[in-house]
Parts: sequence; structure tokens; C-alpha cells
Amino acid sequence: DTGVSQDPRHKITKRGQNVTFRCDPISEHNRLYWYRQTLGQGPEFLTYFQNEAQLEKSRLLSDRFSAERPKGSFSTLEIQRTEQGDSAMYLCASSYTASEQYFGPGTRLTVT
Amino acid sequence: QKEVEQNSGPLSVPEGAIASLNCTYSDRGSQSFFWYRQYSGKSPELIMSIYSNGDKEDGRFTAQLNKASQYVSLLIRDSQPSDSATYLCAAQGAQKLVFGQGTRLTINP
Repeated sequence: DTGVSQDPRHKITKRGQNVTFRCDPISEHNRLYWYRQTLGQGPEFLTYFQNEAQLEKSRLLSDRFSAERPKGSFSTLEIQRTEQGDSAMYLCASSYTASEQYFGPGTRLTVT
Repeated sequence: QKEVEQNSGPLSVPEGAIASLNCTYSDRGSQSFFWYRQYSGKSPELIMSIYSNGDKEDGRFTAQLNKASQYVSLLIRDSQPSDSATYLCAAQGAQKLVFGQGTRLTINP
């Protein structure tokens, strides 16, 4: 059983560029979550999918952020027109039921 | 007031002693509670979940929940240097997890 995987693990981009991250959940998990974590803070919720439906979005998810989960399998998180404040670790988690969530290794984004 | 609060530490404990980590939460609608361990530069790793009042033990770890006091704790017995990490407390209402800022724990050999 493989865990949650994320790609890329690290991304350096210039301000104003678009970036896209991918998350592959644990195979039997139908729930998928995106969180963002900055240094010294706990993860903050961004958005949640059950199968292919995006059921909840945080106020943190500005209109520059979009997430998809086509066919209820992998998910992508896109950030358009990146800003320096977007620099963070982007974490994906999945769960089988509405309980224990398992995190992937994260994608560390640096906006220069 | 933050929804989930933890003492950021650092908490220093000698090897072999009991480490006690505490967490309070404000949303009485929260039903499930979790402890995650996070090593520097890594992602959170789930170590304990607790859903009802009382104690839950798993190896060297014991989670305690008191919903009336809105209090969750994690005890680590026989602390090892490998337990040195940041411990994140999380509360779950509907779907999302709400995390505290984490407590940095250092086990001194």
C-alpha cells in the first residue's frame, strides 16, 4: 500500500508565474484535502473533495487558487500569478471516512 | 482566540521521562481529535486519534480527551531522542482539521 504522493516536492518560481501541484491519494480513499503550512504554524485548511466534488473551500483560497479532482482520483492545485506570500509548504491529505487523514510529503513552494 | 491552542514550547524532557503535551480547543462541535508528529522539513505523521472522553493508549503513547473542559493531551512514556519533533494537535468538526501551532519537543540524552 503506497501512501499519499505529491509532485513536485520542491518548486521555485518567480513572482507572477503560474504553478501547478499534483496529489495522488491512497488508492481506496475517496476524500482528499489540501492544506498550507508556513514556518512555525500548523497546517491551514484550503479545500476538500469527496470523490470528484469540491465540497468546501477556505476563505484562504483566493480567486488565484483553483483545485480540481477529475474522476475522483488525483487532484491538482493551481496558483496563478504567484506572490511572495504564497511561499509555503502545500500539503495534501486523504482519508477513507470522515476521520483519520494521512498526509503526503508536501510540495515546498518558494516564490522569488 | 485561536480555535486550537498549544504551548509552542520548546519543551525539554530528559530521556526516559514522560513528556506531557497539552491542547485546548474552542469549538464544542468538534468530535474527533488527532495528534500528529512532524519532524523538521517533513510532513505531519498521524500518531494518535481519540473520539470519546477518557484515555486511549497505543504503545508508549496515551491520548486523553476531556470534552467538558475542551482539553486534549498526549503523554509519551519512556521518551527517546527520536521523539524529538513538533507535535501538532488537531480538532475535526465536519471534514476539515483545525490545527494548533504545534509544540516543539526536545528529548535530552
